[in-house]
Amino acid sequence: AQTVTQSQPEMSVQEAETVTLSCTYDTSESDYYLFWYKQPPSRQMILVIRQEAYKQQNATENRFSVNFQKAAKSFSLKISDSQLGDAAMYFCAYSTGGSNYKLTFGKGTLLTVNP
Amino acid sequence: DAGVTQSPTHLIKTRGQQVTLRCSPKSGHDTVSWYQQALGQGPQFIFQYYEEEERQRGNFPDRFSGHQFPNYSSELNVNALLLGDSALYLCASSLAGAERKNTEAFFGQGTRLTVV
Repeated sequence: AQTVTQSQPEMSVQEAETVTLSCTYDTSESDYYLFWYKQPPSRQMILVIRQEAYKQQNATENRFSVNFQKAAKSFSLKISDSQLGDAAMYFCAYSTGGSNYKLTFGKGTLLTVNP
Repeated sequence: DAGVTQSPTHLIKTRGQQVTLRCSPKSGHDTVSWYQQALGQGPQFIFQYYEEEERQRGNFPDRFSGHQFPNYSSELNVNALLLGDSALYLCASSLAGAERKNTEAFFGQGTRLTVV
C-alpha cells in the first residue's frame, strides 16, 4: 500500500522568508502524481501544486516550488517570500491516476507565519 | 460558480443513529469522492462515485455507503454511528474523461460530524 509521510508536525517562518516542508512517500508504481494541498481554518482543501512523476522538471507555481527526488521518493515544498496568508495546514498527497483518482494524504504540517 | 457545496456544515448525532451528508459538485464535474478527516490527521479516502456507481473504495466498513444522483450530486450515509466516526467529512469533485489525469479535484468545506 502507498504511504505518505510528513515528518514535521509544525513549522514556523518569518514573513518574507523562505520555508521548506518535507514529504516522503512509498510506492511500487512507476506512474503517479504528487500534490501539496493547503487547508486554512476555513477547512477547504486548496491545491497548491502538482507534480507528475514522469516529468523530471520540478513544478513551480509563483512563490511555490517543489523539489522532486524520484529515486529518494522525496517531494518537498518550498514557499518563498512567505506571506501571512500562507499560514495553514499543508498536506502532501499521492495518487496513481491524477486528481481524479484516490488521494492518499500525509498527516500534515502546520505552518505558522510570524509578522 | 458556487464550487463544491456540502450540507450541513455541522451535525451532532448520538451513537447508534444514522446520518446522511450531502454534496453538490462543482459545475461541470461528474465525479464525487468522499474523505474522512479525523482531528489532527490527513483525509482518508472513503469512496468515489461516477456514473451513479461506486468506482473505488477505501478501507471503510459497510456502515459507510453512498449514492450519486443523475445530477451528479452525492450523499454519504453512515449507519450505527460510533464515537470514532466523529470527524470532518470532505467531498471532492472532479471531471472524468479522456483528460482525467489532468483534472483537478476541488474540495468542499466539509461537514463536521460529532457523535456523542
